Amino acid sequence: DAGVIQSPRHEVTEMGQEVTLRCKPISGHNSLFWYRQTMMRGLELLIYFNNNVPIDDSGMPEDRFSAKMPNASFSTLKIQPSEPRDSAVYFCASSLSGGLGNQPQHFGDGTRLSIL
Amino acid sequence: DQQVKQNSPSLSVQEGRISILNCDYTNSMFDYFLWYKKYPAEGPTFLISISSIKDKNEDGRFTVFLNKSAKHLSLHIVPSQPGDSAVYFCAARSQGGSEKLVFGKGTKLTVNP
Repeated sequence: DAGVIQSPRHEVTEMGQEVTLRCKPISGHNSLFWYRQTMMRGLELLIYFNNNVPIDDSGMPEDRFSAKMPNASFSTLKIQPSEPRDSAVYFCASSLSGGLGNQPQHFGDGTRLSIL
Repeated sequence: DQQVKQNSPSLSVQEGRISILNCDYTNSMFDYFLWYKKYPAEGPTFLISISSIKDKNEDGRFTVFLNKSAKHLSLHIVPSQPGDSAVYFCAARSQGGSEKLVFGKGTKLTVNP
């Protein structure tokens, strides 16, 4: 079974450039999560969607970050303009939620982002 | 303020022995707890979970214990194997319908042959 698929796996770009990270959740999952992992702060939730609707975006650091989920099988996380402090590993996760008891989140392998 | 704390950054054990990873939390509203394992250059992989209505959950070599009064949970791996060497994250979710998980910073387990 295909897991959560993220692209690209690595991204190196110069500050000021727009960065777009992509995620395809597990088929049939209806919740999608974007996380950022840094040495200082660990793994932090940025935003999550349920049935393609953003539910909690309180973790989005600032207006330079935006996320969309146009359909059940695709989501993007965009940073514009990017800054060196955005360098981190970004993970996407998905889960099946709603009346099924506790269900774990399943993670993709992440995008390692480096802003020069 | 860290709501989920893993106070040991690293742990080293011998193959065949027990590994015990610990996690403390501060939010009494947490009702669902999970352990994830992470290898380098991969995403976290779900390992085992426990609901706050239980105090123990077992799956093969892995057992999670929950002590609600102490706000403490632990993951036991018996027997430990070299392939268990990874970073282990504890995570918690608050009751009330939110799916947000709060993660600890992880414990790096090394199992020596």
